[in-house]
Amino acid sequence: EVKLVESGGGLIQPGGSLRLSCVASGDTFGRYWMHWVRQAPGKGLVWVSRISTDGSDTSYADSVKGRFTISRDNAKNTVYLQMNSLRADDTALYYCARDQINDSFDVWGQGTMVTVSS
Amino acid sequence: SYVLTQPPSVSVAPGQTARITCGGDNIGSRSVHWYQQKTGQAPVLVVYDDKDRPSGIPERFSGSNSGNTATLAISRVEVVDEADYYCQLWDTSRDHVAFGGGTKLTVL
Repeated sequence: EVKLVESGGGLIQPGGSLRLSCVASGDTFGRYWMHWVRQAPGKGLVWVSRISTDGSDTSYADSVKGRFTISRDNAKNTVYLQMNSLRADDTALYYCARDQINDSFDVWGQGTMVTVSS
Repeated sequence: SYVLTQPPSVSVAPGQTARITCGGDNIGSRSVHWYQQKTGQAPVLVVYDDKDRPSGIPERFSGSNSGNTATLAISRVEVVDEADYYCQLWDTSRDHVAFGGGTKLTVL
């Protein structure tokens, strides 16, 4: 059973930066596109970003484009989300999720909480 | 961006069938996926590609998609089905993922 474990969240001041990590168990990580999805407290799911298997193709939600960067290291079974110029409305639980080829997410991590506040 | 519209809440008695809709422009021409999220837990995929179920998901969960509405149906509803449900698709025109706003299912 594949598991995803996120880390790197925390309390950060507006304008600050954080790097989230998501480590996958198993040996098939490199075969799958990966995504980040966030959920503000009491709100719904919002897609943030995705990355192709080799990292050459990325896409971002308009709300984070130019501030966030997704990347991956297949040798380490890890996908990252570099978050810069953080704002209060970036406060959310950030999930990484595996794309099971057909753009549906069959494996999710438990999330890492990011709180942007002064 | 592509907008997916879900009712905020649906209520159903145990043993009945719950239907949760997801509206979108010509959504029937796209593949729709559904997630269940219980309080304090990560989402779980319950239906993909309109009507297919991942292994381990009960047959009580089914999906359909036509015209401007996709529907998740849960038959013989149980208390354990109480959760938030989200529809999702890939907006190919913008290379983005879209989620519906979510529907809270209450089992009376």
